[in-house]
Amino acid sequence: EIVMTQSPATLSVSPGERATLSCRASQSVSSNLAWYQHKPGQAPRLLIYGASTRATGIPARFSGSGSGTEFTLTISSLQSEDFAVYYCQQYNNWPLTFGGGTKVEIK
Amino acid sequence: EVQLVESGGGLVQPGGSLRLSCAASGFTFSSYWMSWVRQAPGKGLEWVANIKQDGSEKYYVDSVKGRFTISRDNAKNSLYLQMNSLRAEDAAVYYCARNYVTTIGMFDYWGQGTLVTVSS
Repeated sequence: EIVMTQSPATLSVSPGERATLSCRASQSVSSNLAWYQHKPGQAPRLLIYGASTRATGIPARFSGSGSGTEFTLTISSLQSEDFAVYYCQQYNNWPLTFGGGTKVEIK
Repeated sequence: EVQLVESGGGLVQPGGSLRLSCAASGFTFSSYWMSWVRQAPGKGLEWVANIKQDGSEKYYVDSVKGRFTISRDNAKNSLYLQMNSLRAEDAAVYYCARNYVTTIGMFDYWGQGTLVTVSS
């Protein structure tokens, strides 16, 4: 099983600032990496797939990069609606696995 | 608009059974792989099972193999998860999710979840 490790666990950011979230895989997942946003009581939302492709309707302030074992999600200028938990997920191997999440909170 | 609405969660004793349902609308249900993903209290997301469009292929995470069964009824646009021999560690919010059409390992739409509590 591929273990996905996200850091930091919590990121405190002021609105308008940049947020950088990291995700590391225990072995290469090529570019088969997705990012999701999850707010309490809501359905998770697909943000990025293929490590860097924004899903339909996702604002350009969200960007993804990386390949192999190291990945980054960047939110260029945090808006109030962006405060949430973010998960990375690999789909290179079965079972599909998620990282433990990064909570982006208001500083 | 794609909608996935889960139901069937509740309180069950250890060793008991529960059947979750997911009603899909806003897309051609029979054209997509579908999945169940869960989130235990205070934990991250965990993929549980998925099923091919016609139900001919099903895959499970090891921890639920032999206890959970995923199924679907394309005529009713519905996905199911039969959960037997439930354990405390199965307690979670269970999400129904649609697999992306060209990459079945990722999820492009999710429901809001149904809570399963396992306790005596």
